[in-house]
Amino acid sequence: DAGVIQSPRHEVTEMGQEVTLRCKPISGHNSLFWYRQTMMRGLELLIYFNNNVPIDDSGMPEDRFSAKMPNASFSTLKIQPSEPRDSAVYFCASSSGGLPREEAFFGQGTRLTVV
Amino acid sequence: KNQVEQSPQSLIILEGKNCTLQCNYTVSPFSNLRWYKQDTGRGPVSLTIMTFSENTKSNGRYTATLDADTKQSSLHITASQLSDSASYICVVSAQQAGTALIFGKGTTLSVSS
Repeated sequence: DAGVIQSPRHEVTEMGQEVTLRCKPISGHNSLFWYRQTMMRGLELLIYFNNNVPIDDSGMPEDRFSAKMPNASFSTLKIQPSEPRDSAVYFCASSSGGLPREEAFFGQGTRLTVV
Repeated sequence: KNQVEQSPQSLIILEGKNCTLQCNYTVSPFSNLRWYKQDTGRGPVSLTIMTFSENTKSNGRYTATLDADTKQSSLHITASQLSDSASYICVVSAQQAGTALIFGKGTTLSVSS
């Protein structure tokens, strides 16, 4: 299995632009999680899906952030418009369990820089 | 307030030496505690997970302990190797609906030769 696949690995964009991050979970996993990691705040859970349905999006920082999971093998995290404070590493993870406390397998992350 | 505090923030040790990382939490009601290893530029990888009734769990040279009474956990690394250089993150789950996943900010370990 190739594991969780994220794209792109690196993204540099100008403030105000729309950014879309992509994730392909491990085949057969029914839960998907989006995390953000910064030096100041560490890892933060933004949103998680179970069976393609958003279960808890309380970690999404504001309305500029949105996430979708149109099918079991694909999810996107969109930021529109982007701001410099959104610069971080964004991780996608998937698991076969139904809750975030189950073991999750992480992708390699997308490093986003907003200038 | 649910919190997870890790210490030290960073640590440098010589190859072959042992070290212990600490995690204190105030999460309640407690569900489980997990230690992750995160190599530079990679996603976190789970090392161990412990529930309330477990005191010790090992994964190779990594041994995690849990004291649910004092709400403390430690990760002991034996005979460190250069490949142990990474960030180690303690994550505590609360036994409730929803996310209830609280992350520590991690300890950065550097093993030098």
